Amino acid sequence: NAGVMQNPRHLVRRRGQEARLRCSPMKGHSHVYWYRQLPEEGLKFMVYLQKENIIDESGMPKERFSAEFPKEGPSILRIQQVVRGDSAAYFCASSLRLAGSSYNEQFFGPGTRLTVL
Amino acid sequence: GQNIDQPTEMTATEGAIVQINCTYQTSGFNGLFWYQQHAGEAPTFLSYNVLDGLEEKGRFSSFLSRSKGYSYLLLKELQMKDSASYLCAVGPGSQGNLIFGKGTKLSVKP
Repeated sequence: NAGVMQNPRHLVRRRGQEARLRCSPMKGHSHVYWYRQLPEEGLKFMVYLQKENIIDESGMPKERFSAEFPKEGPSILRIQQVVRGDSAAYFCASSLRLAGSSYNEQFFGPGTRLTVL
Repeated sequence: GQNIDQPTEMTATEGAIVQINCTYQTSGFNGLFWYQQHAGEAPTFLSYNVLDGLEEKGRFSSFLSRSKGYSYLLLKELQMKDSASYLCAVGPGSQGNLIFGKGTKLSVKP
């Protein structure tokens, strides 16, 4: 049973370019979360998606960042016109939410390390 | 506001016991999680507490006091491979996102 997959593992972009980060959740998981981890900082929640729906994007910057989780294919985190401050590790997690359950173990992918030159 | 505090770094000796504390103040509470993260790797799940008390799982135990907004992770019989960052995270509500502390970097020395 493959875990959460993310690609690319490392991504280098110049200022002003676009970055696309992909996440394939664990088999059977329909809930995806994106987190950002800056050096020496904790993981910061960005967005929570289910298939074809954004459930909570309260942690996402209002500009340049967008996320989707289409019916088919991986979840995509897209950063337009990247700036140096976007350099970070971006982790995706997936979970299997059971109706009425508060338990929400999230399984993390290996992360994408974005470096903006 | 949402705030989770844990020590930045700790050092312990192989074979010893170490306790990593976590205090939290969140607008809601839907469980507290501990994750282990080795440098450059993904966080991996260690434990979950939603009721007060101690949960034991092998060498690792986690304790929760909801009234005090406090948890700890106890690691026994420390091994060198336990050197990692330990992340305390709270689920504040029903939406499922987790709020993480900055992590405690544990160094295990021979």
